[in-house]
Amino acid sequence: NAGVTQTPKFRVLKTGQSMTLLCAQDMNHEYMYWYRQDPGMGLRLIHYSVGEGTTAKGEVPDGYNVSRLKKQNFLLGLESAAPSQTSVYFCASSLAGGYGYTFGSGTRLTVV
Amino acid sequence: QQQVKQSPQSLIVQKGGISIINCAYENTAFDYFPWYQQFPGKGPALLIAIRPDVSEKKEGRFTISFNKSAKQFSLHIMDSQPGDSATYFCAASSMESGNQFYFGTGTSLTVIP
Repeated sequence: NAGVTQTPKFRVLKTGQSMTLLCAQDMNHEYMYWYRQDPGMGLRLIHYSVGEGTTAKGEVPDGYNVSRLKKQNFLLGLESAAPSQTSVYFCASSLAGGYGYTFGSGTRLTVV
Repeated sequence: QQQVKQSPQSLIVQKGGISIINCAYENTAFDYFPWYQQFPGKGPALLIAIRPDVSEKKEGRFTISFNKSAKQFSLHIMDSQPGDSATYFCAASSMESGNQFYFGTGTSLTVIP
């Protein structure tokens, strides 16, 4: 009964490096989301997907790309990391619209 | 522009007391209002949620009060316990926006034994 699994849990990147964060859910949820959490700013939506093969921009999409090739996976990519992308990243999924989210445990990313 | 405004930023309550956290929104299209609880190092977890067709929902010691005309909703934690110490986020979403949740900035609750 894993729910939403995020890998890795921690990562330190140098400015300009790239990386991919992986989110996997085993609940057969249609919708998946990537949020970032910063002190005093709550959670802000980066990108989301309402089904396999679909993606859409959220509130703060710049500097990030996503892909949802399989229903259970949602990948978040940083092509050229910047210190402003230092944050805690949360993946979430929901059954459909109008339902609550199940969150993963987060990835703490530091860009130096 | 913050879609959902949450207050207070931090709250200290004595054990057994009532904790109250407030949220306000502007978008009348919002039709789902959840509250999430987050412990340090963990992801947020759904605590309780309400839809705008009811004014109150209670689950154990947790109650959401909803005022549609004022566009406000609040979380009440009765008989607060030290184990309730966490950060609480309100949120709002609408079906028409792909179920995007707009979160408040969070309230750090500390319950003193």
